[in-house]
Amino acid sequence: DQQVKQNSPSLSVQEGRISILNCDYTNSMFDYFLWYKKYPAEGPTFLISISSIKDKNEDGRFTVFLNKSAKHLSLHIVPSQPGDSAVYFCASRGTSGTYKYIFGTGTRLKVLA
Amino acid sequence: ETGVTQSPTHLIKTRGQQVTLRCSSQSGHNTVSWYQQALGQGPQFIFQYYREEENGRGNFPPRFSGLQFPNYSSELNVNALELDDSALYLCASSLASRGAEGDTQYFGPGTRLTVL
Repeated sequence: DQQVKQNSPSLSVQEGRISILNCDYTNSMFDYFLWYKKYPAEGPTFLISISSIKDKNEDGRFTVFLNKSAKHLSLHIVPSQPGDSAVYFCASRGTSGTYKYIFGTGTRLKVLA
Repeated sequence: ETGVTQSPTHLIKTRGQQVTLRCSSQSGHNTVSWYQQALGQGPQFIFQYYREEENGRGNFPPRFSGLQFPNYSSELNVNALELDDSALYLCASSLASRGAEGDTQYFGPGTRLTVL
């Protein structure tokens, strides 16, 4: 049972345009969400997070939006750069209080120069 | 530079064997978590250690076990290897024990395990 879903396995975007990566979750008890970026041969790198008490968090070119009623979050990258090409994972922290993060299956973003 | 290292980078074992994977956390990080990432999937939480004690476990059988040492190193041991254990194994270290907001995990590059 996939509690965190990323339904788009891949996405291609022109350099300078906006990239929008989507993520859905099923458990309404999830209270903290994160996005990680992963380059080949490297471990995932933390990108941005959002608490369930907020609906938006921004950090430079990266903004995460949370729609609790729809159980949906999205990551916006503006403007997209070729160096952003990577696999992006959304993750939710379970309520156990550990680092038992539940990851989606990832979306491979390709930014075309 | 996260400072989290893992060894070996790649490993090939046969079914039924035992394997030990190693991780060196960032200095000062008391928590280490291990994840299994199968091909085409996201990382799946195996377990977490805090100050040398296991304090959280995912849906993995007991043949997956771990150790954490005072020098910020840790091990993942898998007994009686099965073909489905083939995956990338990631360790991640963090300061806090409870996934506090504002704190996060720093992942190592992983060990690619192939079971034949």
